[in-house]
Amino acid sequence: NAGVTQTPKFQVLKTGQSMTLQCAQDMNHNSMYWYRQDPGMGLRLIYYSASEGTTDKGEVPNGYNVSRLNKREFSLRLESAAPSQTSVYFCASSATGGNQPQHFGDGTRLSIL
Amino acid sequence: GQQLNQSPQSMFIQEGEDVSMNCTSSSIFNTWLWYKQDPGEGPVLLIALYKAGELTSNGRLTAQFGITRKDSFLNISASIPSDVGIYFCAGYSGAGSYQLTFGKGTKLSVIP
Repeated sequence: NAGVTQTPKFQVLKTGQSMTLQCAQDMNHNSMYWYRQDPGMGLRLIYYSASEGTTDKGEVPNGYNVSRLNKREFSLRLESAAPSQTSVYFCASSATGGNQPQHFGDGTRLSIL
Repeated sequence: GQQLNQSPQSMFIQEGEDVSMNCTSSSIFNTWLWYKQDPGEGPVLLIALYKAGELTSNGRLTAQFGITRKDSFLNISASIPSDVGIYFCAGYSGAGSYQLTFGKGTKLSVIP
């Protein structure tokens, strides 16, 4: 009963390197999301995918790209990592229709030197 | 953008005490969600609220959707050590929305 699975759990990058964070859910949810969490802050939405084949920007999309690979998988890519992107990244999923509770993975802790 | 103000930011309580925390906004929200996050883990959904005035319980936790639709409250009764963590409120401000707004959290510490 995995729910939302994120890989890797930890990663250290150098400034300018690229990286793709992976997320998969097994709850048959249509909608998926990427957030970042910084110390003392709540979660901020980076991108979301309301359904397979669609993606939309959230509150803080700059410096990121996403791909909804299929219904189960939603990846987040940093093309040229910057120290300001050091954060904990969470993937979430929800049922269709909007205003649905979101279910979160355990996060990827990313440090950029 | 939308903002949710959570209070208190942190609290220390004795085991067995009841806890109250709240979340307020200057805007109307259609759905309120309460999450708990333990260190090194993702947020876990505790309670979801969909109607103004709604009162919902989950074990020792009770949450309410404020009548004005601009606030929500979470109460924990008879706290135990495993209640330690950060509690987040979150809300959707529109119908059919996919953009969830989060508060900054209330950090709860329980003294045995």
